[in-house]
Amino acid sequence: SYVLTQPPSVSVAPGKTARITCGGNNIGSKSVHWYQQKPGQAPVLVIYYDSDRPSGIPERFSGSNSGNTATLTISRVEAGDEADYYCQVWDSSSDHNYVFGTGTKVTVL
Amino acid sequence: QITLKESGPTVVKPTQTLTLTCTFSGFSLSTSGVGVGWIRQPPGKALEWLALIYWDDDKRYSPSLKSRLTITKDTSKNQVVLTMTNMDPVDTATYYCAHSPEYCSSTNCYLPRHFQHWGQGTLVTVSS
Repeated sequence: SYVLTQPPSVSVAPGKTARITCGGNNIGSKSVHWYQQKPGQAPVLVIYYDSDRPSGIPERFSGSNSGNTATLTISRVEAGDEADYYCQVWDSSSDHNYVFGTGTKVTVL
Repeated sequence: QITLKESGPTVVKPTQTLTLTCTFSGFSLSTSGVGVGWIRQPPGKALEWLALIYWDDDKRYSPSLKSRLTITKDTSKNQVVLTMTNMDPVDTATYYCAHSPEYCSSTNCYLPRHFQHWGQGTLVTVSS
């Protein structure tokens, strides 16, 4: 089955840029979606199809995807961005699986 | 406005069957290109996709849990039901249902591949 690997944690100072990676075999050939999950809350879609933002998501959130790594970038980080972030793909090669990454805890210093 | 809400037992005993219902509003599961999925999250752990049903009644299951899962829909009631047999303490988790729409770019439309709207989740504990 397809595996998505994320760093367990990323720390960033307020106002700086956080980059969260999602590694997978030839992930650049797939569409990557990103979710933000704050403690005790349901996940919220923040980026879909690599770089599109749903309505209501700040422009500070952006995404890219190439080769074996997809990246979620949070610019001008705010305290309210502290959360867990998960990447997700649809893997057509294995019975149409919806695969989630291992998750990354973003801590705002 | 799209909303989803999960309902079902909060505690089940080992070996029992879990039945969860997702009741939604703001969209129809009879509309082409729409799906509803189930995702779970054990305490302190990552999200895990379980199953998804499409508008045309096509169904997909996580290969690792396929033998234990059944997903069905009742379009007239705007509900999707997930059953999981032979529950075990390791199945203790928050269970979410989520709306999965098609996505259309300027050139193509794609079948449901992401989860746009989520329910609040329901915590299910498996314990004797």
